[in-house]
Amino acid sequence: EAQVTQNPRYLITVTGKKLTVTCSQNMNHEYMSWYRQDPGLGLRQIYYSMNVEVTDKGDVPEGYKVSRKEKRNFPLILESPSPNQTSLYFCASTPSQTTDTQYFGPGTRLTVL
Amino acid sequence: QKEVEQDPGPLSVPEGAIVSLNCTYSNSAFQYFMWYRQYSRKGPELLMYTYSSGNKEDGRFTAQVDKSSKYISLFIRDSQPSDSATYLCAMKAPQGGSEKLVFGKGMKLTVNP
Repeated sequence: EAQVTQNPRYLITVTGKKLTVTCSQNMNHEYMSWYRQDPGLGLRQIYYSMNVEVTDKGDVPEGYKVSRKEKRNFPLILESPSPNQTSLYFCASTPSQTTDTQYFGPGTRLTVL
Repeated sequence: QKEVEQDPGPLSVPEGAIVSLNCTYSNSAFQYFMWYRQYSRKGPELLMYTYSSGNKEDGRFTAQVDKSSKYISLFIRDSQPSDSATYLCAMKAPQGGSEKLVFGKGMKLTVNP
């Protein structure tokens, strides 16, 4: 089944404890993105990647890191999480630069205490 | 002025009602328009995609684009309880890939049986 998977789905952590949210897609898509979704603010892009080893900042990159060492994986790293990073996070993939349809993962609900 | 404005919700309607969801935008470069549907505890999924002015119909759903007024709408006929979800508009200009996609904040729709 073609899909985008994220792990974990739910995470409660404390301020300053490094964490990684994994994202994997099995559709051989070039483009991958991370979004956060907050009430009243909608979906905001954190980082995106156009292909392996090519990443760039989205609208709200502060406090986040990403890497794209393999085409299928695009982990989101929070080196020192803070409470304002409490949010619902979505990973998405798109077949190519010329395709606009985004395929979203199921989401990761993160709470930073 | 934000690039994309979406009618605030939430919206609650009885089963069978016609639902109209709307977004306005300020960037005249936007040429591609999408509607995503997001069920509770799920990632958004593409519902409708259009790139021209006028109407596009898919079953009970009709996407309407008026580029002269910078206004897009999604109509749902004979609404069903299964249509209860958050609906997000999204749009982009021809240049760039999915990193240029701009989302509305979303409207939560509840269809009551």
